[in-house]
Amino acid sequence: GENVEQHPSTLSVQEGDSAVIKCTYSDSASNYFPWYKQELGKGPQLIIDIRSNVGEKKDQRIAVTLNKTAKHFSLHITETQPEDSAVYFCAASKRAGGFKTIFGAGTRLFVKA
Amino acid sequence: GAVVSQHPSRVICKSGTSVKIECRSLDFQATTMFWYRQFPKQSLMLMATSNEGSKATYEQGVEKDKFLINHASLTLSTLTVTSAHPEDSSFYICSARGSGNTGELFFGEGSRLTVL
Repeated sequence: GENVEQHPSTLSVQEGDSAVIKCTYSDSASNYFPWYKQELGKGPQLIIDIRSNVGEKKDQRIAVTLNKTAKHFSLHITETQPEDSAVYFCAASKRAGGFKTIFGAGTRLFVKA
Repeated sequence: GAVVSQHPSRVICKSGTSVKIECRSLDFQATTMFWYRQFPKQSLMLMATSNEGSKATYEQGVEKDKFLINHASLTLSTLTVTSAHPEDSSFYICSARGSGNTGELFFGEGSRLTVL
């Protein structure tokens, strides 16, 4: 069945360093790949997304890359700050099936001051 | 961005009672809403897809008679946990799909259910 794998499960970086989270997906028909940030006790918040017709997208300190051939996509956070500490989820969905979204297992990011 | 409101944020109930959680899209019409369950330190597990005016579609392993979903209007979906038991204690999150049919989801703040 459809599956999204996410690594690492935990990531600890020093403030100012970069953080990279990687995901792979199984359904080649997936065409929308959002990334969500979830803080403790709250719902996920969309931070960036990318569609299958684009290879890279950047928004200030956050960037996402997509390799459709390999079915890989990654989140890059540069110049990390303590407030970036949270759980990050990647996800994949496709228009067929009503954009049912499959989530990765999540990455707990710790940014040490 | 679009706002999705979820209520209550926290609820504690006795075993055997039923609890209703509401999910509202405040500034857009959501023909489709999704309900998720999240255990501590785990990912979001899709429970069901709620379509306005029709029966919800449940994921495999989710008891439809246990988790009643009603999507009576374009801005409101409700999840009722019936005859709740301690194992139903969890964080329940709803999301609504944006009106542009782009796939973007907007999430509620979640509801933490504790069954004593």
